[in-house]
Amino acid sequence: EAGVTQSPTHLIKTRGQQATLRCSPISGHTSVYWYQQALGLGLQFLLWYDEGEERNRGNFPPRFSGRQFPNYSSELNVNALELEDSALYLCASSQKNIQYFGAGTRLSVL
Amino acid sequence: GQQVMQIPQYQHVQEGEDFTTYCNSSTTLSNIQWYKQRPGGHPVFLIQLVKSGEVKKQKRLTFQFGEAKKNSSLHITATQTTDVGTYFCAGPEAGNNRKLIWGLGTSLAVNP
Repeated sequence: EAGVTQSPTHLIKTRGQQATLRCSPISGHTSVYWYQQALGLGLQFLLWYDEGEERNRGNFPPRFSGRQFPNYSSELNVNALELEDSALYLCASSQKNIQYFGAGTRLSVL
Repeated sequence: GQQVMQIPQYQHVQEGEDFTTYCNSSTTLSNIQWYKQRPGGHPVFLIQLVKSGEVKKQKRLTFQFGEAKKNSSLHITATQTTDVGTYFCAGPEAGNNRKLIWGLGTSLAVNP
C-alpha cells in the first residue's frame, strides 16, 4: 500500500512568487493535514481538510491557503512568498487519529 | 490555549546510556501519541497510549502515560546510534479529537 506522497520534493522560489505544494493521502484516508517545519523547529499546524472541506486552520496569514479534491488529494498554496516561508512542508493523512506523514516538500525562498 | 510541552529540548548521550524525554499537557488528554523524526526524514508514528497509568514497551523503548493523563514519558534503555532523531509527543485538541497538539520535540544525539 502506498504511503502519503508529496510533490515536489524541493521547490525554489523568489520572494513575492507563489508556490503550490501537492499531497496524496493513503488510500482510504479522507483527512489531510498540512504542517510547516522551519529548520530545527517543531511542527506548526497549518491546515486540516476532511471530506473536501477546510476543518481547521492554524495561526498563519491568509496567503497560506489550500484545498482538497474529490479524490482527497490536497494542494497547499502560498502566495506572496516571504523569506521566512522557507521550511519543510509536511502533509499527513490520518486514520483513527494517527497521522501518517509524507516525506515533505522543502521550500526555499530566495 | 492548550499546550503540550516537552523537556529537554536537546539531549546528548554516549551510546549505551539511557535517555528519557518528558511530555506535559496543559489539559487532560484522551490519549497521547509519540512520533520519531530521523534527521532529514519525516515524523513516524511510534505508539499511542490511552489508559491512565498505561505503560507500553517496544524493545528498548518504554512509554508511560500518567495517572492524571496530563503527562507522558519515553525512556530508551541503552541508546544506540539508530535512536538518533527528534521525538515528538502529541495529544488531541480538547473538543476536537482529530486535530493533534504537538510538543516541540526532544532532539537526541548519540555519540558512538
